[in-house]
Amino acid sequence: DAGVIQSPRHEVTEMGQEVTLRCKPISGHDYLFWYRQTMMRGLELLIYFNNNVPIDDSGMPEDRFSAKMPNASFSTLKIQPSEPRDSAVYFCASSISEGTVEAFFGQGTRLTVV
Amino acid sequence: QKEVEQNSGPLSVPEGAIASLNCTYSDRGSQSFFWYRQYSGKSPELIMFIYSNGDKEDGRFTAQLNKASQYVSLLIRDSQPSDSATYLCAVAANFGNEKLTFGTGTRLTIIP
Repeated sequence: DAGVIQSPRHEVTEMGQEVTLRCKPISGHDYLFWYRQTMMRGLELLIYFNNNVPIDDSGMPEDRFSAKMPNASFSTLKIQPSEPRDSAVYFCASSISEGTVEAFFGQGTRLTVV
Repeated sequence: QKEVEQNSGPLSVPEGAIASLNCTYSDRGSQSFFWYRQYSGKSPELIMFIYSNGDKEDGRFTAQLNKASQYVSLLIRDSQPSDSATYLCAVAANFGNEKLTFGTGTRLTIIP
């Protein structure tokens, strides 16, 4: 398996634009997580899904952020409108509920909002 | 007060010595504890997890948990230059990994 795949790897956008980050989890994994990492705040959980259903979105910073998981192999995190303070590395991770506690992370998307 | 606290470092340790990384957490009901390693520019990867008080050993790594003191640590024996990375402590309220709260990490440098 290729692991968790995120796209794009880097994104530079202007303030006010819409940004969409994409994630393909490992096949067979039933949990999907979106995290944001900054120097100041570290790694923060934004939202997670179980079997494509959002379970906890309490980490989503505000209404400008939304996430979807239309099927077991694809998820998006959208920011609209984007702001400079959204600049961070966004990680997607997936895990399986049986047999392991390990969450596997994708390579991340480095977002820069100018 | 942050929920999971780590000394940000950098922590410098000579090659071959023992590196000791520490983490405290505020939620006394926390049940599971994780150590992730993150190389610069890379994604985090799980290296240890622990549920019960005491020590858990895996190769050169030992995780130590003291729930009464709300303290978890990671010891790396015979430190190698390849151990140079940021180590993230994470805590969950239950026995899975559904909702992890991470510390900001400790940057470790092993000096050859």
